[in-house]
Amino acid sequence: TQLLEQSPQFLSIQEGENLTVYCNSSSVFSSLQWYRQEPGEGPVLLVTVVTGGEVKKLKRLTFQFGDARKDSSLHITAAQPGDTGLYLCAGCPAAGNKLTFGGGTRVLVKP
Amino acid sequence: EPEVTQTPSHQVTQMGQEVILRCVPISNHLYFYWYRQILGQKVEFLVSFYNNEISEKSEIFDDQFSVERPDGSNFTLKIRSTKLEDSAMYFCASNRDGTNYGYTFGSGTRLTVV
Repeated sequence: TQLLEQSPQFLSIQEGENLTVYCNSSSVFSSLQWYRQEPGEGPVLLVTVVTGGEVKKLKRLTFQFGDARKDSSLHITAAQPGDTGLYLCAGCPAAGNKLTFGGGTRVLVKP
Repeated sequence: EPEVTQTPSHQVTQMGQEVILRCVPISNHLYFYWYRQILGQKVEFLVSFYNNEISEKSEIFDDQFSVERPDGSNFTLKIRSTKLEDSAMYFCASNRDGTNYGYTFGSGTRLTVV
């Protein structure tokens, strides 16, 4: 069974600070996806990383896939209150399309 | 922006009753999925569906569960005899070609079994 562990579970920071969320596994994934989920809503895809060592930027968000394709990180620069939410990582195995989700990191950015 | 539409948004049912959750995936997508999220827990995979048949299912997806694509647009999840532990948010998702390039999730159906 593939498992994804996210850390930290909860992060509270002031507006303007930087933050990093980690997603780790002992398993290799063919891709790693990051989602954001609002209360009572479904996950919304932010980015997919596919190649080991890949870095993708989405405005102030930077996503990295580990060289061994077992881990990933999400870094937010100069966080804003609008970044508040639940961030989920999800891994796709080499065979099949079943996503394994991490437990999520709840981010609170205080003005 | 194309959306995955789920109905109803909330469903309350008595234990032992059958429920059908409905989804309209994005029209040019070929792969369809159901996931569930019990309150406070991780999002869990239930089943994937392609070319009118189940391509993969989890241990959760036992004989009480079934999926169907009754026409060209709807994708349904049926739970035959609901249990209290089936209470959860159920998310439908779709993607175009089943590869690694992200899924579009619906807003979910909150199922409460009483």
